[in-house]
Amino acid sequence: GAGVSQSPRYKVTKRGQDVALRCDPISGHVSLYWYRQALGQGPEFLTYFNYEAQQDKSGLPNDRFSAERPEGSISTLTIQRTEQRDSAMYRCAAGTDTQYFGPGTRLTVL
Amino acid sequence: EDQVTQSPEALRLQEGESSSLNCSYTVSGLRGLFWYRQDPGKGPEFLFTLYSAGEEKEKERLKATLTKKESFLHITAPKPEDSATYLCAVQALSGGSNYKLTFGKGTLLTVNP
Repeated sequence: GAGVSQSPRYKVTKRGQDVALRCDPISGHVSLYWYRQALGQGPEFLTYFNYEAQQDKSGLPNDRFSAERPEGSISTLTIQRTEQRDSAMYRCAAGTDTQYFGPGTRLTVL
Repeated sequence: EDQVTQSPEALRLQEGESSSLNCSYTVSGLRGLFWYRQDPGKGPEFLFTLYSAGEEKEKERLKATLTKKESFLHITAPKPEDSATYLCAVQALSGGSNYKLTFGKGTLLTVNP
């Protein structure tokens, strides 16, 4: 929606590997959010960027999760030493008053 | 803590059979209440924002209303293409510039022809 793209669309990895998920808010939104969505649930907030500044990371589950947005555009969510419980759909959203969601990255940790 | 509860979890309707979905919320000062539609395998698609009690918004067969404790999404004469999961979310005033959304679990709507 509104030009938010995510890559890869699907990622399968082995437990213990690091993964990097990318979000490109093509239409240049100032605000960028990461959410995680489990099957049958609504998206759950992870972290928020205003331009390049990470202003809220209270939703990140633990210190294996980190995110950056160095130039205030593309953002990367990195999960280190992945565990099976990290398997989920990871969604990026951009926009201030209204948030437009990307298609998500389906992460499967074997 | 902000909370959103949606009911029912699932709803089956016949084409043309009108109904309503409920979203009850608890928030420390409501900035906005949002309705999204989500199709299988896709990201949530924005439908409406409601900001104050008494506000109503309409789009085709959908009408959203808001009170101080809940919101309703009314579906009039639904068609099979209205089948989707409908998500409700709230934004709190207390977040400063962080307009993070707190979502409910959604209502899975199936409209049979």
